[in-house]
Amino acid sequence: GNSVTQMEGPVTLSEEAFLTINCTYTATGYPSLFWYVQYPGEGLQLLLKATKADDKGSNKGFEATYRKETTSFHLEKGSVQVSDSAVYFCALSESGGNYGQNFVFGPGTRLSVLP
Amino acid sequence: DAGVTQSPTHLIKTRGQHVTLRCSPISGHKSVSWYQQVLGQGPQFIFQYYEKEERGRGNFPDRFSARQFPNYSSELNVNALLLGDSALYLCASSPGDRSYNEQFFGPGTRLTVL
Repeated sequence: GNSVTQMEGPVTLSEEAFLTINCTYTATGYPSLFWYVQYPGEGLQLLLKATKADDKGSNKGFEATYRKETTSFHLEKGSVQVSDSAVYFCALSESGGNYGQNFVFGPGTRLSVLP
Repeated sequence: DAGVTQSPTHLIKTRGQHVTLRCSPISGHKSVSWYQQVLGQGPQFIFQYYEKEERGRGNFPDRFSARQFPNYSSELNVNALLLGDSALYLCASSPGDRSYNEQFFGPGTRLTVL
């Protein structure tokens, strides 16, 4: 079955440090890939997405590139801020047949940014 | 425009009881999905409904059921509650059911089973 693996957290960085959160996936077909962010006490918000190989998603200084050859979708940001402290979820989505959209999330990586 | 709304926000039940959670999708969205998020874990897929038909079901027991109404709102029902059902239940809507459709999440319903 489909699955998503993320680097374990928590990740603690100082403000303005470089961020990488690794994400790899297993899928039977050609999924779309997403990064969602969850701030304390809130639901999930879409951060960025990529729908085919070599696409780069970007938003708010975050970016991730869909690498089909390594089945990866690593999240990066050049300079993190305290306000980026949250839990980040990598997810994949496939669709097909009568089974609608199959959305699978990774376990999440908690990021803490210190001033 | 209003986002995805869920009710109630919080709920406390005892073992063996039944619970109904409600979700209203973003206007124009025809797909609603339900997820269970246990503390410290990623969301686990429970159901997807599209155009009022069940299109996907995750690995959850038959105590979990759902439906979608003609206005595309949805209910999630859980019977015979267990302590392990305590979680944040998230509803997400999307315009369709294709892989590239992003899902828009509501704030969730926090269910505590005592």
